[in-house]
Amino acid sequence: GAVVSQHPSWVICKSGTSVKIECRSLDFQATTMFWYRQFPKQSLMLMATSNEGSKATYEQGVEKDKFLINHASLTLSTLTVTSAHPEDSSFYICSARPGGSGASPYEQYFGPGTRLTVT
Amino acid sequence: DAKTTQPPSMDCAEGRAANLPCNHSTISGNEYVYWYRQIHSQGPQYIIHGLKNNETNEMASLIITEDRKSSTLILPHATLRDTAVYYCIVRVGGYSTLTFGKGTMLLVSP
Repeated sequence: GAVVSQHPSWVICKSGTSVKIECRSLDFQATTMFWYRQFPKQSLMLMATSNEGSKATYEQGVEKDKFLINHASLTLSTLTVTSAHPEDSSFYICSARPGGSGASPYEQYFGPGTRLTVT
Repeated sequence: DAKTTQPPSMDCAEGRAANLPCNHSTISGNEYVYWYRQIHSQGPQYIIHGLKNNETNEMASLIITEDRKSSTLILPHATLRDTAVYYCIVRVGGYSTLTFGKGTMLLVSP
């Protein structure tokens, strides 16, 4: 089956620093990738949608200058949390949708998530 | 996309069938019903989806009522590893975004 990986699986950083999280589709090409955030005991909230080679579309209330998303290739998207603060501590999950001929548009695969703690 | 309503939690004995209900009374004719689950501290996992016919795969069965206003996800023989939050999501086709609600926390006990 399709596999999506994230790196790192967990990270602790100091307030004011930046953190980069990678999302990779391992055995398929993903024309579209999604970034979600999940606070404890809450559901997943979509942050942004990115298409390969173009700028990400951010959901209302998500600061695009703080959460930088790059989708430079069909297998890699990165989320950079700039000037992180304790309130950015959360579980960040990426998701990828296969593209290309033969790919089902109904499929969307999720990564294992990255636990970010900002001290 | 139509809103869904699920019970916040359910219990099930190991080996028994788990029947998870979902109400989606405002569903439109072109909206599909999707089910995902999320085991603690992991990313969501796709289970099944359907439009109006009942569907079955190796993980579960999806029963959609004739008026499509509700559905039931059935795990035929629940195991401890099925303990997770189950999300019922209604969306138009595959290109619209997946919007997660609160889901149902299913606890499978020995």
